[in-house]
Parts: sequence; structure tokens; C-alpha cells
Amino acid sequence: KAGVTQTPRYLIKTRGQQVTLSCSPISGHRSVSWYQQTPGQGLQFLFEYFSETQRNKGNFPGRFSGRQFSNSRSEMNVSTLELGDSALYLCASSSHRGGGTEAFFGQGTRLTVV
Amino acid sequence: ILNVEQSPQSLHVQEGDSTNFTCSFPSSNFYALHWYRWETAKSPEALFVMTLNGDEKKKGRISATLNTKEGYSYLYIKGSQPEDSATYLCAFNDYKLSFGAGTTVTVRA
Repeated sequence: KAGVTQTPRYLIKTRGQQVTLSCSPISGHRSVSWYQQTPGQGLQFLFEYFSETQRNKGNFPGRFSGRQFSNSRSEMNVSTLELGDSALYLCASSSHRGGGTEAFFGQGTRLTVV
Repeated sequence: ILNVEQSPQSLHVQEGDSTNFTCSFPSSNFYALHWYRWETAKSPEALFVMTLNGDEKKKGRISATLNTKEGYSYLYIKGSQPEDSATYLCAFNDYKLSFGAGTTVTVRA
């Protein structure tokens, strides 16, 4: 079956702009989590969506938001971009919520803020 | 913020040699410990999800052990091959995954 698909793969944005990233999970998976990786940092948890509801949120400012649709596809939005938002953004889907089962990751979206 | 630590940060191994590295995590409120392999230009791939103290899991030449009481897990690679070169991540599950910074393994032919 198809894996986790993230679009776009690469993005270049200007400070102050906003950006929307998309994640299509594995068919049948209802949990989608988002992570940020910046140089020298491990994967930092942003939030998890399950059945269209945000179930958990990491320690990120309110400029980072997300949503999940009825088909489990998820989008992540970052408003008022800052240089420090340049990172690899990964999404992961799971069959169950809360990290109890293995996560399947997409290839990520590389965001560069200039 | 949970403290999940991995050591060493990186290691170089000769092809055919065996190696191991560590993940340490909080020993209280344990739910599960995940291991992932992340090869360059690919997505992180799940290796193991470990839930019970004393758990031992094996996948080919890679195996892992878990000690929840003292808060550590070891990952072992037996007879390393160049294709084992990757960053190995552990993640502590406290109802979300908190990742360590990873151990980057380079296998020299």
C-alpha cells in the first residue's frame, strides 16, 4: 500500500509569509503527527491529530497550527515565518493515537525561510 | 521536556564488526520505547516498539534490549554491513514520541 506522502518536498519562503504543508497518511491510519528537525536538533514534536481533533501539542508558538480532514489528510500551517523556522518538517501516521504503535514517516518537506 | 539521551553521538565501525549503543530515558511512567533507522535521503523507518521490561527484539542482524526500571535500551548490530550506515533514533512514548538526537553509524568497507 502507498506510504505517507508529504507535499511539497521543498519550499522557499520569505520572512513574514505563511506556509501550508500537506501530509497524506497511509490508508486506514487516523493518527497524524508532525515533527520539526532543525540542524543539530533531534526531531521535535509539534502536534498530533486523530479523527480530525488535535490530541496533543508540543512546545511551539501559536504560529504553528494544523488541522486534519475527514479523510485523515493533515495540513500544517506556519504564519509569520521567521528565519528559525527553516527546517525539515516530517509527518508520521499511525494506526492508533498516542504513539503506542509504530509510526510511518513521510520523506518530509524542507522549508527554507530567507 | 523529557530527556531522552543517546550515546555515542556517532561511531565508525569496520565492516563485519559488531557494535552497540545506548538510549536512556525517564524510568517513571513508562509506556513504550521506539527505535527508528534513518538513512540519508530517506524517511525514518521503524525498527522496534518495545513495551515490557526485559523485552528483547530482533530484526535480522539488529537487536534491542529494554530495561525500564533503570531507564535504558541498547541497540546491537551484529556483523555490520555498509547498508547499516544510518542514524538510529530512539523515542520515548509519553503519549507522544520524544526523540533522542540519534546515534550516527558509519560502516567502513
